[in-house]
Amino acid sequence: QSVLTQPPSVSAAPGQKVTISCSGSSSNIGNNYVSWYQQLPGTAPKLLIYDNNKRPSGIPDRFSGSKSGTSATLGITGLQTGDEADYYCGTWDSSLSAAVFGGGTKLTVL
Amino acid sequence: EVQLVESGGGLVQPGGSLRLSCAASGFTFSSYAMSWVRQAPGKGLEWVSAISGSGGSTYYADSVKGRFTISRDNSKNTLYLQMNSLRAEDTAVYYCAKGVKLVIPFDIWGQGTMVTVSS
Repeated sequence: QSVLTQPPSVSAAPGQKVTISCSGSSSNIGNNYVSWYQQLPGTAPKLLIYDNNKRPSGIPDRFSGSKSGTSATLGITGLQTGDEADYYCGTWDSSLSAAVFGGGTKLTVL
Repeated sequence: EVQLVESGGGLVQPGGSLRLSCAASGFTFSSYAMSWVRQAPGKGLEWVSAISGSGGSTYYADSVKGRFTISRDNSKNTLYLQMNSLRAEDTAVYYCAKGVKLVIPFDIWGQGTMVTVSS
């Protein structure tokens, strides 16, 4: 059981937009920055979004992040087949003094 | 090139011990917190432990507290994870990851090393 809650799967057609939600509490998302990671099959995770909505260099602006209260959202526009991957949200939990992840969301581009 | 390379994984019996290493290059190692994150086969990411840049502060997930010890040698640019009293549920790929400013977010990840706990 993950501290952060994500939907197990989402799907959309190529070229469309998809959003992935991440729900937490005041001890984690509510008072700390959220980051998002993409894990392509058989590879290590890759940082997509940090500090709720910032993109590292090299990450296309098709990827965006937002946060409101105790929830965060990852948005991906102009879906490509290469975006098929598992996506994880993460943050610090001040009560646990631990980093926490969501359970992950598998994106299928139909 | 910024790089993290893990080593030390393998097959170990329940109750046994293993020491993982993570060699860092391409950045000022001592300036950044480092973490271990694991992923059991077919499962999601689980943060395991973190250590501050100086090594003065350490953090552990409840699932490994008292069994695992994180450490670093800044003169060798290397991160370690000493794993004792290993259990079947510790079977996973173990990644080392570099923090951006605090423990999280993680901007650089290693390729991972597999740890299998089985008799």
